[in-house]
Amino acid sequence: AQSVAQPEDQVNVAEGNPLTVKCTYSVSGNPYLFWYVQYPNRGLQFLLKYITGDNLVKGSYGFEAEFNKSQTSFHLKKPSALVSDSALYFCAVRAKGRGKFQFGAGTQVVVTP
Amino acid sequence: KAGVTQTPRYLIKTRGQQVTLSCSPISGHRSVSWYQQTPGQGLQFLFEYFSETQRNKGNFPGRFSGRQFSNSRSEMNVSTLELGDSALYLCASSPAGGGNTGELFFGEGSRLTVL
Repeated sequence: AQSVAQPEDQVNVAEGNPLTVKCTYSVSGNPYLFWYVQYPNRGLQFLLKYITGDNLVKGSYGFEAEFNKSQTSFHLKKPSALVSDSALYFCAVRAKGRGKFQFGAGTQVVVTP
Repeated sequence: KAGVTQTPRYLIKTRGQQVTLSCSPISGHRSVSWYQQTPGQGLQFLFEYFSETQRNKGNFPGRFSGRQFSNSRSEMNVSTLELGDSALYLCASSPAGGGNTGELFFGEGSRLTVL
């Protein structure tokens, strides 16, 4: 079985400060890891993914994430948050090969001016 | 390239009715998945179709069903609607089947309200 945990329901950060959204996972074998963002009443938009290779993955809108195998984590980061980054963020895992995506519960990010 | 298209975007039904939601994947994508999103339960996987075959299924009652056509378009149907079926239903497509490392591409969703 696979699972994803996003331990924070909400993250509050001031504009210009670093933003981190935490994600830990459990999966048999090598994981494929993903981050998505959702704005109100919209679908999910893909930000970045880790499949293999470099543990630091860069994605859209200045976001990056670091894969840590020993800690089974895949935290999303942005060096300087913008008010427009306020949204709901989802981490997802998929076991290598066939299998459905498992999404975390989501973390609401609130960036204040 | 057009994205994933879901219709209708919004709909209101009453308890006991049935509803059909439609999803057109990105051209060339053969896998279509459906998710239910509610504030309390988050994103719940409904089912995945690939080449007209249901490949994975979530833990939903038999009132929830789906199908995929030869052109990869998909529909999902919910019969005997209950108040708890009120949700945002999201469709996602991806390029290929087994071994796919790619991400899912989501539509804007169909917002269903059951009164």
